[in-house]
Amino acid sequence: ETGVTQTPRHLVMGMTNKKSLKCEQHLGHNAMYWYKQSAKKPLELMFVYNFKEQTENNSVPSRFSPECPNSSHLFLHLHTLQPEDSALYLCASSQEPGTGASNEKLFFGSGTQLSVL
Amino acid sequence: AQSVTQPDIHITVSEGASLELRCNYSYGATPYLFWYVQSPGQGLQLLLKYFSGDTLVQGIKGFEAEFKRSQSSFNLRKPSVHWSDAAEYFCAVGSNTGKLIFGQGTTLQVKP
Repeated sequence: ETGVTQTPRHLVMGMTNKKSLKCEQHLGHNAMYWYKQSAKKPLELMFVYNFKEQTENNSVPSRFSPECPNSSHLFLHLHTLQPEDSALYLCASSQEPGTGASNEKLFFGSGTQLSVL
Repeated sequence: AQSVTQPDIHITVSEGASLELRCNYSYGATPYLFWYVQSPGQGLQLLLKYFSGDTLVQGIKGFEAEFKRSQSSFNLRKPSVHWSDAAEYFCAVGSNTGKLIFGQGTTLQVKP
């Protein structure tokens, strides 16, 4: 158990659905991240939040909308996704704020396996 | 541009055998280097990291990695593999833009 909890673990949605992924960290960290892991592709950093403020959007399509109401919670709102968005979405946190954790230890959640039909 | 290459997509070793997973990076300055492990159904867990100093880094679960600047490599090793080591392993480098860049991962299968 890393202290970072993601729900749901699995999600199947149609292209017209709206759904949200949730991430919660119990570590008192100040930075939270969304990563996308596609099959046989490198992990892709999507968003970074430091002290609840978004500090990085790595050219992510607008059909992905993050929300960080406080330092412990991070959401990823999904709308009109495409089949190629099917992937494992990983949330992570770190103690120190950063621009994507160049030298910080990241704590990862177990991920949400998303399938878009 | 910074990049990380893990040449082996899939590796199978027998339990008790030694293991080496390869990682090559491209980076202009002294890199921050990491190895993460992802067990089935789990998130990533940090095995070890290199920032500076001793080029041989010890990690958790009996893993170690050696930074070789001349070869731009950061290979992960373990003297004797256990069945519970079966997982996917990711090498990563901290870039000058502050991002962590991950390799594509190596899937380790352990034969009894």
